[in-house]
Amino acid sequence: AQKITQTQPGMFVQEKEAVTLDCTYDTSDPSYGLFWYKQPSSGEMIFLIYQGSYDQQNATEGRYSLNFQKARKSANLVISASQLGDSAMYFCAMSTFGNEKLTFGTGTRLTIIP
Amino acid sequence: NAGVTQTPKFQVLKTGQSMTLQCAQDMNHEYMSWYRQDPGMGLRLIHYSVGAGITDQGEVPNGYNVSRSTTEDFPLRLLSAAPSQTSVYFCASSYGLTKNIQYFGAGTRLSVL
Repeated sequence: AQKITQTQPGMFVQEKEAVTLDCTYDTSDPSYGLFWYKQPSSGEMIFLIYQGSYDQQNATEGRYSLNFQKARKSANLVISASQLGDSAMYFCAMSTFGNEKLTFGTGTRLTIIP
Repeated sequence: NAGVTQTPKFQVLKTGQSMTLQCAQDMNHEYMSWYRQDPGMGLRLIHYSVGAGITDQGEVPNGYNVSRSTTEDFPLRLLSAAPSQTSVYFCASSYGLTKNIQYFGAGTRLSVL
């Protein structure tokens, strides 16, 4: 069984600062993918970034990067130079290869302070 | 670019009523799924389909039915609505390959009185 743990229910960050959202995972399968989604107050789920378990380098997408530490089973999301529009719920999720079911964490509510 | 379209956006039901939440995607994705989102619990998988004619249960399937007659459509049926089914429902789709990025619809907010 897969499990995702997000231990930060809420975070407040000053605008333009970098922020790290924590995510740890648990699986016995060696082949898996890790995902981050953003859910703004409007409610939609927006895909941000993906990391495969065999990827050699940490994934980056614009201001988003994923700090993947396989031995520690962590996949933290780093947002550089935070903006007011980054205020949202952020969900970490995973699936194993060949099994398309996504397992989600409980999310972190990020608030950017002007 | 329509992507994943869910209807309706909002719905209020009385206990015992039945209804169907619609989901359609125009990306030719093989994999489709339904999730529910409850406060403090993240998203939980209800049912999923790996292709037309193939469906399977997720984590919380009780009280819900699905079918997949076409690649594009994946409706979710509530057979006899209960207050415990008050939630926000999301439909998602993906190519179902190794890099299984799922794209979500805008959601349906359902209240059962």
